[in-house]
Amino acid sequence: SQTIHQWPATLVQPVGSPLSLECTVEGTSNPNLYWYRQAAGRGLQLLFYSVGIGQISSEVPQNLSASRPQDRQFILSSKKLLLSDSGFYLCAWSVKADQETQYFGPGTRLLVL
Amino acid sequence: GQNIDQPTEMTATEGAIVQINCTYQTSGFNGLFWYQQHAGEAPTFLSYNVLDGLEEKGRFSSFLSRSKGYSYLLLKELQMKDSASYLCAVMDSNYQLIWGAGTKLIIKP
Repeated sequence: SQTIHQWPATLVQPVGSPLSLECTVEGTSNPNLYWYRQAAGRGLQLLFYSVGIGQISSEVPQNLSASRPQDRQFILSSKKLLLSDSGFYLCAWSVKADQETQYFGPGTRLLVL
Repeated sequence: GQNIDQPTEMTATEGAIVQINCTYQTSGFNGLFWYQQHAGEAPTFLSYNVLDGLEEKGRFSSFLSRSKGYSYLLLKELQMKDSASYLCAVMDSNYQLIWGAGTKLIIKP
């Protein structure tokens, strides 16, 4: 069966510091991968998605970037965090098929102070 | 623009039935998803509808009318553990998911 891991689970970072969040998927090959952010009490905002190694699409302009160095690894990064980057970061995967249901990892709660 | 509307919050009683509505306007349609999200946790997949009609899965059912741009999630025999947010999402013509803000469901004993 497929599983998705994210780490760390929680993170407190000062403004201006760098960020690296990692997501890995097991039990499937060549998945679509997604990074979402959810602000408190708000809906899901798609940040990046990837259909393959090295292929990244950005949905919103921001100081975040994403990379996919391996088939089942997706990394979210920032060189300098802003206060507005605080939120709940969720990684998701889907199989390339008609339905493409997205399955989420446990998430990383980021607080920028 | 693309838009998903669902009520912000609903309250229901344990053992009762509740219907959570979702209306959408999107560029194309390739299916509608419902997810459950408990506070502080990630969303979990509940249901998928691509054809009109009712899909039943145990205590949960989901209905779709593509001509009306409308769906609902029906929860029967409510339990306290059903207290959560319920997210409606539509896959558009580019196979991108458009998300609603979610409906927070509060179950009272």
